[in-house]
Amino acid sequence: AQTVTQSQPEMSVQEAETVTLSCTYDTSESDYYLFWYKQPPSRQMILVIRQEAYKQQNATENRFSVNFQKAAKSFSLKISDSQLGDAAMYFCAYRTRGTSYGKLTFGQGTILTVHP
Amino acid sequence: DAMVIQNPRYQVTQFGKPVTLSCSQTLNHNVMYWYQQKSSQAPKLLFHYYDKDFNNEADTPDNFQSRRPNTSFCFLDIRSPGLGDAAMYLCATSRDLQGAEQFFGPGTRLTVL
Repeated sequence: AQTVTQSQPEMSVQEAETVTLSCTYDTSESDYYLFWYKQPPSRQMILVIRQEAYKQQNATENRFSVNFQKAAKSFSLKISDSQLGDAAMYFCAYRTRGTSYGKLTFGQGTILTVHP
Repeated sequence: DAMVIQNPRYQVTQFGKPVTLSCSQTLNHNVMYWYQQKSSQAPKLLFHYYDKDFNNEADTPDNFQSRRPNTSFCFLDIRSPGLGDAAMYLCATSRDLQGAEQFFGPGTRLTVL
């Protein structure tokens, strides 16, 4: 079974600074997706960024980028120029890719606080 | 805008009193999921529907049931809620089983008195 581990229960950053959230995972599969989801307080979970394991290039979405290290099974999220609206719980998630049903496995989450 | 809608946003029930949570979607996605998320924890998948096919996770208690009368709607029934069932319940959809992205609703927070 796949497992996802986020070792930082809480992180904080100053507005306009950069912060990196860590995620490691364990799997025996070679083809899969990795995601970062953002869950603001009392608001719905939204997808921040997605990475396909077969792609060597790290995914980027505006201020959000990942450092995907497949051999190390590491998938960190970098938020540049942090904004107050980035404050949320961030979940790293794994999903099998391919013909079989791909269940989303979440990490425990990291609460990000952004200080003005 | 296409979206996933959950009603109600907050639900209070009594210990042992059946309760139903509702989810609807305008995305026309084939797959609908129900997750349970307890305070400060990761969401835990309860079950999913692929079209009309129901798939239960092995560790989902029998107390939890689901119905999907049509593509747009899916219901979560808790037959006899216990105090331990107090949680946020998230509905999500995806285009198909291989579709990468799941779209989440805002959740229903269930309180059990």
